[in-house]
Amino acid sequence: QSVLTQPPSVSAASGQKVTISCSGSNSNIGENHVSWYQQFPGTAPKLVIYDDEKRPSAIPHRFSGSKSDTSATLDITGLQTGDEADYYCGAWDSSLSAVVFGGGTKLTVL
Amino acid sequence: QITLKETGPTLVKPTQTVTLTCTFSGFSLTTDRVGVMWIRQPPGKALEWLALIYWDDDKRYSPSLRGRLTISKDTLKNQVVLTLTNTDPADTGTYFCARLYQGLDTWGQGTLVTVSS
Repeated sequence: QSVLTQPPSVSAASGQKVTISCSGSNSNIGENHVSWYQQFPGTAPKLVIYDDEKRPSAIPHRFSGSKSDTSATLDITGLQTGDEADYYCGAWDSSLSAVVFGGGTKLTVL
Repeated sequence: QITLKETGPTLVKPTQTVTLTCTFSGFSLTTDRVGVMWIRQPPGKALEWLALIYWDDDKRYSPSLRGRLTISKDTLKNQVVLTLTNTDPADTGTYFCARLYQGLDTWGQGTLVTVSS
């Protein structure tokens, strides 16, 4: 059971928008930054969002992040088949003194 | 260009100690606010944080594995070493190291460790 809760799967049509949620608590998302990672099968995760909403320079503007209270969200607009991957959220948990990850969300582009 | 690469044994027997090395280039582990983290992923499962070492040698460990993990750095060799003692088949998975700066901004390719007799 992961400390951060993500839906196991989401899907949306090509060209549309999808939202992936990450729910936590005051000790993690509530008071620390959230990062998001994209992982294709058999490869290492790749950072797509850090500090809740910042995007590495190589990541398209189609990817955006936000946070409110103890929940964070990753939005992907203009979905492409190449976006099909697993997505993980992560944050520091001040109570556990540990990095915590969500269980991952599998994105399917229809 | 920043790169990290994990090396270590692919197969270990239960109860043995496994030592994994993360060799990196393109950055220094003496730079303020930089860290190197180890994360593992059992086959078909989610990411699990293991340990973190900062530029100032501050070290943090997963509470669930505390006592079995040791992380250390060699700044001259640009390496971070993780040891995991008393291994169990449940420790089977791909082990990644990653640079922590603005998020885990660069990851190694990972190394698969199988714990089996």
